[in-house]
Amino acid sequence: QKEVEQNSGPLSVPEGAIASLNCTYSDRGSQSFFWYRQYSGKSPELIMFIYSNGDKEDGRFTAQLNKASQYVSLLIRDSQPSDSATYLCAGGNEKLTFGTGTRLTIIP
Amino acid sequence: DTGVSQNPRHKITKRGQNVTFRCDPISEHNRLYWYRQTLGQGPEFLTYFQNEAQLEKSRLLSDRFSAERPKGSFSTLEIQRTEQGDSAMYLCASSDSRGPAFFGQGTRLTVV
Repeated sequence: QKEVEQNSGPLSVPEGAIASLNCTYSDRGSQSFFWYRQYSGKSPELIMFIYSNGDKEDGRFTAQLNKASQYVSLLIRDSQPSDSATYLCAGGNEKLTFGTGTRLTIIP
Repeated sequence: DTGVSQNPRHKITKRGQNVTFRCDPISEHNRLYWYRQTLGQGPEFLTYFQNEAQLEKSRLLSDRFSAERPKGSFSTLEIQRTEQGDSAMYLCASSDSRGPAFFGQGTRLTVV
């Protein structure tokens, strides 16, 4: 069973702080990793993707990938109330395997 | 609008009826995916196409489910003899050969 597991939530972070979301995966053959944001009742929205070991930054978001540890993370700096959502980690090649999501709440 | 488009957005059907959903991918994307998502879970892979070829089907896709992508453009997902367990959000996504997948708005199916 190829699995993607995310740290259990819900996660509450004060506005302006750093939110840290973590994910591990079991399939060493996975080459691509993604973070999607999903607001309640809406479809997933792509936030970040990362293919290589190391860090990838895009604005307030940083994705980190460690293939040796089979670990992916997402850091959100200067958290805003609009960041409150469920964050889905996904990995794979053509098809993606998703985690169950971590619900993040930013507290004003 | 250049995003992935799904229709209908909502569908309520009686158990035993057939339903069909449509997905129009981003025009330059050759890959198209169908996922199903239930409350509190992440999306589960159902099937995917590269151009018009259906390359993989999940074991979740029972004989009652069929998907097509004629001419490699839009795709349809049909569910025959719907059951209450089919109630879920059906998500379509598209990508090019190397890029990330972008999701449509989803079709929420309720079987009563």
